[in-house]
Amino acid sequence: GAGVSQSPSNKVTEKGKDVELRCDPISGHTALYWYRQSLGQGLEFLIYFQGNSAPDKSGLPSDRFSAERTGGSVSTLTIQRTQQEDSAVYLCASSLGVMPGELFFGEGSRLTVL
Amino acid sequence: DAKTTQPTSMDCAEGRAANLPCNHSTISGNEYVYWYRQIHSQGPQYIIHGLKNNETNEMASLIITEDRKSSTLILPHATLRDTAVYYCIVRFISSGSARQLTFGSGTQLTVLP
Repeated sequence: GAGVSQSPSNKVTEKGKDVELRCDPISGHTALYWYRQSLGQGLEFLIYFQGNSAPDKSGLPSDRFSAERTGGSVSTLTIQRTQQEDSAVYLCASSLGVMPGELFFGEGSRLTVL
Repeated sequence: DAKTTQPTSMDCAEGRAANLPCNHSTISGNEYVYWYRQIHSQGPQYIIHGLKNNETNEMASLIITEDRKSSTLILPHATLRDTAVYYCIVRFISSGSARQLTFGSGTQLTVLP
């Protein structure tokens, strides 16, 4: 597709279960970002991938969170042993690269942990 | 990245220009000013960015003061669909590295009929 695609759009899970969220960036975009947004809050940076460089994981809130990007394209954000405070919208964005330019955001994956 | 300060909320009449201010008094020479908006339940949308000069595109104009310590986003003819949270972001860019956009609280713009 033309835009950033995220799946699932909605995910309800039980506390303690693992979840995987997927992001398909725009073709050719070398930079990929994950953010999360809790209800009524601003966007919180999680992780950033740029080409073959080591990812910037400085925003991951705990070791239960991890992300990978395979082949420089699709990315998966994994949350292990989910907690209720993990409930949020997880947003993925991609951009052409490092230099000035816009980030294109997906519509997000809404995660609800019961 | 430099911190930004925006009003929490603003109203604007439909058809009028919406002028959204942003203070970034600690901005450095390598930092760009970006504006994004987020319509309810959607992902953020890029609007415009600039370094020193004023910029205009099909969505908006960005006016940056000469000392770069503040800027104004102008929506020339606001419509109801422009109701959103508007984020002013300062981002460091260099050829060798980039940092993620750091979103603050933004300004809730409400366009009134």
